Amino acid sequence: DAKTTQPTSMDCAEGRAANLPCNHSTISGNEYVYWYRQIHSQGPQYIIHGLKNNETNEMASLIITEDRKSSTLILPHATLRDTAVYYCIASTTWGYQKVTFGTGTKLQVIP
Amino acid sequence: NAGVTQTPKFQVLKTGQSMTLQCAQDMNHEYMSWYRQDPGMGLRLIHYSVGAGITDQGEVPNGYNVSRSTTEDFPLRLLSAAPSQTSVYFCASSSDGQERNTEAFFGQGTRLTVV
Repeated sequence: DAKTTQPTSMDCAEGRAANLPCNHSTISGNEYVYWYRQIHSQGPQYIIHGLKNNETNEMASLIITEDRKSSTLILPHATLRDTAVYYCIASTTWGYQKVTFGTGTKLQVIP
Repeated sequence: NAGVTQTPKFQVLKTGQSMTLQCAQDMNHEYMSWYRQDPGMGLRLIHYSVGAGITDQGEVPNGYNVSRSTTEDFPLRLLSAAPSQTSVYFCASSSDGQERNTEAFFGQGTRLTVV
């Protein structure tokens, strides 16, 4: 898996968009970008993934640069419940690869 | 559909004791894996399995054994517990299916303390 780099922590005002960046400059052509989050010490929760195109679901949007060396997870209207650690992972297929997590970005949503 | 179920949720062991952490999934997923998470750290892969009868080592396998006799279950065994194995353990499962890049589902974790 390609190495990913994320800021250690970020703050976001409640109701505003939270933009979480991720660098994956060594990503290969067949590696997807996955985002997960971990609230308190619960099990990680899948958010979204993408390969080349921007993706959107009910939780978030994923913007991947054209050269695929970086991406941004966007939570359009952050709530206090979005306070969590967010992990960006580059991997081909989840089951085949020895997927490891970095330390992620601790997002604090402020009232 | 319960997803991924881990038992027990909490456990205290004495050094040298053995135990098995249970993980079961009801989604017929081929892939299952075990992670440990130490305070302030990300998740590190211990062992994983790509199907019944097939397992392989992850990043930190020492001190742990696994087997996969059924699709549903993937137990993690600590042979002789050590304080360094105090951690939160997560089990995950995922499917290959038609689209080979699918999400992983995680259990709620087992909090293990070795004294």
